[in-house]
Amino acid sequence: GQQLNQSPQSMFIQEGEDVSMNCTSSSIFNTWLWYKQDPGEGPVLLIALYKAGELTSNGRLTAQFGITRKDSFLNISASIPSDVGIYFCAGQRSGGNQFYFGTGTSLTVIP
Amino acid sequence: DAGVIQSPRHEVTEMGQEVTLRCKPISGHNSLFWYRQTMMRGLELLIYFNNNVPIDDSGMPEDRFSAKMPNASFSTLKIQPSEPRDSAVYFCASSHDNRPRAYEQYFGPGTRLTVT
Repeated sequence: GQQLNQSPQSMFIQEGEDVSMNCTSSSIFNTWLWYKQDPGEGPVLLIALYKAGELTSNGRLTAQFGITRKDSFLNISASIPSDVGIYFCAGQRSGGNQFYFGTGTSLTVIP
Repeated sequence: DAGVIQSPRHEVTEMGQEVTLRCKPISGHNSLFWYRQTMMRGLELLIYFNNNVPIDDSGMPEDRFSAKMPNASFSTLKIQPSEPRDSAVYFCASSHDNRPRAYEQYFGPGTRLTVT
């Protein structure tokens, strides 16, 4: 199946630091979604991106749709303990509403 | 608004038993997705429906798995007979295809299945 490479796999950061993670693919995507999953819960949609080059923010979160349409980036500014969780990217190709999910980035914030 | 509803939240069963997982999508959504999540394989799409019709079931592991969507507000995923390797968290997600936020998938809380 389609592989989305997400990096880093895990991050351990101090509270207050900024975080960057990314997702890359060998295929072109039309839509990118970013999700956060807390333990024991389902993934929660954070940001949706529909256009190459698009930069969208949701509070302290900012995501970008890469110009090549093969990658996407998520930044979290001034991290806080409740940012802890696993972050997933998901990409959609044209011609269907199926999304391919990345392997996730596990974020730990040290108070 | 209610999100995607799944039941049960937890299921423990013995190998060989039939298991039925249930999902109610968000009202107005016309696509429904069943995923399985494990540590080893991450989030895998099993099957998805559009307007109650199965579109892609290539992710269904084998014939022991079946899914139905008898109407727009209900879907089931059945495993018969269950095996220990089926132990995982099963998620249901739904989306609509109306612009401007077409195709954004919203997940339910999941069903944690343990097969002993």
